Amino acid sequence: QLQLQESGPGLVKPSETLSLTCSVSGGSVSSSSYYWDWIRQSPGKGLEWIGTIYYSGSTYYNPSLKSRVTISADTSENQFSLKLTSVTAADTAVYYCARQDYLDPSGFLDWGQGTQVTVSS
Amino acid sequence: EVVMTQSPATLSLSAGDRATLSCRASQSIRHKVAWYQQKPGQAPRLLIYGASTRATGIPVRFSGSGFGIEFTLTISSLQSEDFAVYYCQQYNNWPPHTFGQGTKLEIK
Repeated sequence: QLQLQESGPGLVKPSETLSLTCSVSGGSVSSSSYYWDWIRQSPGKGLEWIGTIYYSGSTYYNPSLKSRVTISADTSENQFSLKLTSVTAADTAVYYCARQDYLDPSGFLDWGQGTQVTVSS
Repeated sequence: EVVMTQSPATLSLSAGDRATLSCRASQSIRHKVAWYQQKPGQAPRLLIYGASTRATGIPVRFSGSGFGIEFTLTISSLQSEDFAVYYCQQYNNWPPHTFGQGTKLEIK
């Protein structure tokens, strides 16, 4: 059974870079069968898709965040990561990593438990 | 960007009732809609994909319908564990994937 687990700092200062990692077990980020995604949830904006990475290294980002987001994968550690630069209070949210099927798209099949990130000085 | 609009924002029902939740897309998304259930402190859980296909392990009391712009999630007979927030999401035109704002199903 595939499991996802987010990790990273829970507090980030304004203007700094938010960095999170998603550890994958029971599956491989090198698999050609899946996309690996980041999604966030805040009271003000609900669920917001941030972006995705495919095993080939191809990435797709939400246009609203594209200038500040980088998603990468580390196949040796079976992890993928999120970097969000120049954060403000509006980036305070619960951040989830998730998986979607590549060959037969069907929504986000699996989610991590989520990690709260607060942007504050 | 495809905007997903859910209604109502809150639905107050009793156990045993039938629940009907709606989701409208700002343009046709064919059958590419998913529904999720979220309980406090938990991640969303996939219920339905392809507008009408139940995900693995989802009870038969959950059903989905619709095509194009209008979609419905129906819970045939509410159980206590069904009171939660429900979201629709489109995956036809992305990036970006987009979600509705949610319907809170609460106990009357």
